[in-house]
Amino acid sequence: NAGVMQNPRHLVRRRGQEARLRCSPMKGHSHVYWYRQLPEEGLKFMVYLQKENIIDESGMPKERFSAEFPKEGPSILRIQQVVRGDSAAYFCASSLGQVLAGNEQFFGPGTRLTVL
Amino acid sequence: TQLLEQSPQFLSIQEGENLTVYCNSSSVFSSLQWYRQEPGEGPVLLVTVVTGGEVKKLKRLTFQFGDARKDSSLHITAAQPGDTGLYLCAGALMIQGAQKLVFGQGTRLTINP
Repeated sequence: NAGVMQNPRHLVRRRGQEARLRCSPMKGHSHVYWYRQLPEEGLKFMVYLQKENIIDESGMPKERFSAEFPKEGPSILRIQQVVRGDSAAYFCASSLGQVLAGNEQFFGPGTRLTVL
Repeated sequence: TQLLEQSPQFLSIQEGENLTVYCNSSSVFSSLQWYRQEPGEGPVLLVTVVTGGEVKKLKRLTFQFGDARKDSSLHITAAQPGDTGLYLCAGALMIQGAQKLVFGQGTRLTINP
């Protein structure tokens, strides 16, 4: 009964490199969400995906950031040409269905990205 | 601007005391969740409240959803050091045609032995 899995747990990149964060949702969940958290702050929504579709990317910067959730395999959050301001904890959550239908989101342990 | 205002942001009290954390908004939510987050980990869901006026208890924790479904509170009785952590409220609603779960800023709670 594995929960949401994320890897890597910690990622260090130099400015200008690419960061790829992976998320495997809970078994049976087809809805995936990515959030970003800065120290001492709450979670900020980035993007909501269902299998092979981006449903809502209103919280994701239009440049350098992209996300996918392929038919097979984990969801990927990709940050190109990272800058120091991208340093944060990135959390993935999954749910059985949409939030307004009463479906709860379950979170992974997060990936802590540090940009040097 | 913060859609969901959580207060206080920091709270440090002695073991055995009672405390209440508040989540307030001018928006109506279809449901509201409370999470607890330990350092270096992801948020863990504590409870979901759905009905206006609903009260749920989880051992020494009491959660209440406001009658108008715009606010919520978390009350902890006889706090213990193990209650230390970051408490987050999150409300589900529709924003510009998209379903969203919006989070408060969090309350960092420290219980001193």
